[in-house]
Amino acid sequence: GAVVSQHPSWVICKSGTSVKIECRSLDFQATTMFWYRQFPKQSLMLMATSNEGSKATYEQGVEKDKFLINHASLTLSTLTVTSAHPEDSSFYICSARDLRSSGTGEQFFGPGTRLTVL
Amino acid sequence: AQKVTQAQTEISVVEKEDVTLDCVYETRDTTYYLFWYKQPPSGELVFLIRRNSFDEQNEISGRYSWNFQKSTSSFNFTITASQVVDSAVYFCALSLYGGATNKLIFGTGTLLAVQP
Repeated sequence: GAVVSQHPSWVICKSGTSVKIECRSLDFQATTMFWYRQFPKQSLMLMATSNEGSKATYEQGVEKDKFLINHASLTLSTLTVTSAHPEDSSFYICSARDLRSSGTGEQFFGPGTRLTVL
Repeated sequence: AQKVTQAQTEISVVEKEDVTLDCVYETRDTTYYLFWYKQPPSGELVFLIRRNSFDEQNEISGRYSWNFQKSTSSFNFTITASQVVDSAVYFCALSLYGGATNKLIFGTGTLLAVQP
């Protein structure tokens, strides 16, 4: 149980285009989803926290107009990188938390999406 | 404020050696959870263990063992008889109790390289 999928697993795009990454909880309802960014040889950096049906809460320094997050249902959250540039190239990881594990803080992680902007 | 420190950036061992990965955390809360995750070269985070602050018993799972000591705010991870497949980045993380939006605070990770 507690499986989270991400799509696509990798994407290459041209500078200036927008890219959408999907995160789905496959066998549970995710009241909260998180989006992380990870540069090579670095730790995970939390970008934003999203709750179903409400606006995402962004971490300091993360541009909300550039990284659009939508959590329209209890099983799906999307991250759209708008007008992507080479510096946005990174490994993007989503995670989800269900109601039963909300007290423990446990998150279930997706496999990640590797974005390369040319 | 909460913080997780993994002082070892990289460790290299030869297969069959035992290796301990250190994790020191900071929090003023009395109820919290500690985690270890493994991130192999594929990138997907693999959950290894969750421990709550009230349970200081050490845990063993096969070749893996964890030593939780509140007195030193440490939650160290030992791999016995390491194997090449153990090569990965290992992250220690901390979460406070309660609230669906509670964040996981990650350490900087330790890259473990097990040489054949």
